[in-house]
Amino acid sequence: NAGVTQTPKFQVLKTGQSMTLQCAQDMNHNSMYWYRQDPGMGLRLIYYSASEGTTDKGEVPNGYNVSRLNKREFSLRLESAAPSQTSVYFCASSDQNTGELFFGEGSRLTVL
Amino acid sequence: GEDVEQSLFLSVREGDSSVINCTYTDSSSTYLYWYKQEPGAGLQLLTYIFSNMDMKQDQRLTVLLNKKDKHLSLRIADTQTGDSAIYFCAETFSGGYNKLIFGAGTRLAVHP
Repeated sequence: NAGVTQTPKFQVLKTGQSMTLQCAQDMNHNSMYWYRQDPGMGLRLIYYSASEGTTDKGEVPNGYNVSRLNKREFSLRLESAAPSQTSVYFCASSDQNTGELFFGEGSRLTVL
Repeated sequence: GEDVEQSLFLSVREGDSSVINCTYTDSSSTYLYWYKQEPGAGLQLLTYIFSNMDMKQDQRLTVLLNKKDKHLSLRIADTQTGDSAIYFCAETFSGGYNKLIFGAGTRLAVHP
């Protein structure tokens, strides 16, 4: 049972480059999320998708775009990476009954 | 707006009890959660409590909820070195989605 799978696990970018983080879940969850984790700041919500076909901004959406490709997949795109986007990114999906979040293993992104 | 606060660091001796505290702001939260993050991994749900409960016990874990003071605590009895991790408190966002607001995380260090 894979749960939530995100790729890549590590990435180094130069300022101005673009990239897409991929995420897929196999638990038939409606809602999916992208968080970033920075030291001393916990997890902050970037974007979320309450259901297939919908996306909404979270706390820190600037500099990011998302696509809910289908029920399983939710991708996060950085169009023009900045050093402030150096972080660990987590994708998650949630059980619609309890609200429990299931997290991927994280993607560590460094922008030089 | 919604905010979750917790102390950043706790050090305990192996075998002692650990108590991690959290305060939250959204009184309409249906669930409150404790997540655990081990090094290099994503977050995993440790336990949760319904907002209409005062206490929940699960083996070595005891969760206490004081709704009046908006205070949540996690007690780990007989703390072991394997409990060393970052513990995140989270509340549900009242915007109508299964969206969580996380605290910054408390790093628990267990020493012999």
